[in-house]
Amino acid sequence: DTGVSQDPRHKITKRGQNVTFRCDPISEHNRLYWYRQTLGQGPEFLTYFQNEAQLEKSRLLSDRFSAERPKGSFSTLEIQRTEQGDSAMYLCASSLSGVTDTQYFGPGTRLTVL
Amino acid sequence: DAKTTQPPSMDCAEGRAANLPCNHSTISGNEYVYWYRQIHSQGPQYIIHGLKNNETNEMASLIITEDRKSSTLILPHATLRDTAVYYCIVRSPLITGAQKLVFGQGTRLTINP
Repeated sequence: DTGVSQDPRHKITKRGQNVTFRCDPISEHNRLYWYRQTLGQGPEFLTYFQNEAQLEKSRLLSDRFSAERPKGSFSTLEIQRTEQGDSAMYLCASSLSGVTDTQYFGPGTRLTVL
Repeated sequence: DAKTTQPPSMDCAEGRAANLPCNHSTISGNEYVYWYRQIHSQGPQYIIHGLKNNETNEMASLIITEDRKSSTLILPHATLRDTAVYYCIVRSPLITGAQKLVFGQGTRLTINP
């Protein structure tokens, strides 16, 4: 049984650089979510996909952020021109649409912007 | 979105039952109560969820009051590995029918040897 996987687990970058994270959901799950968690806070919703369609974006997702889910399988989250305020844990979750639609989370990617 | 209120921290002795309360007085009739936990530097782990009836699985039990305004997560025999932040979440529907999770501050549970 493979859960949600994320790559890389840690990323250190300099301010102004672009970074891309990958999420592989549980294989049969058609919904995929991205969350962000800063130190001492609970995760905050960023965006959500059903299959390949991005159906909801939080106001937290600035123009520098873009997410894709080609072919409805894995997803990527790209941050352009990173800022120190982007330093956070980026979490991916997936679920199977249905009555309860339980979300299962990956281990996260910790981003540090110097 | 229904909001939840949890104590910021709790302690429990190893081997004892840990009872974590959650208030959700504005919950709607079709909203589920979910519990997740997060061990330091890991992703949140799903524990259990319920609508009206009490629920039990291999990890925990969930007791929901009859008026659904509060619930209690019970870890029957806490171990040191249960030390984590526990989040009580009432699921909020998105326009499309999926449900984003709105996390509060949670309860930091410390299991003491």
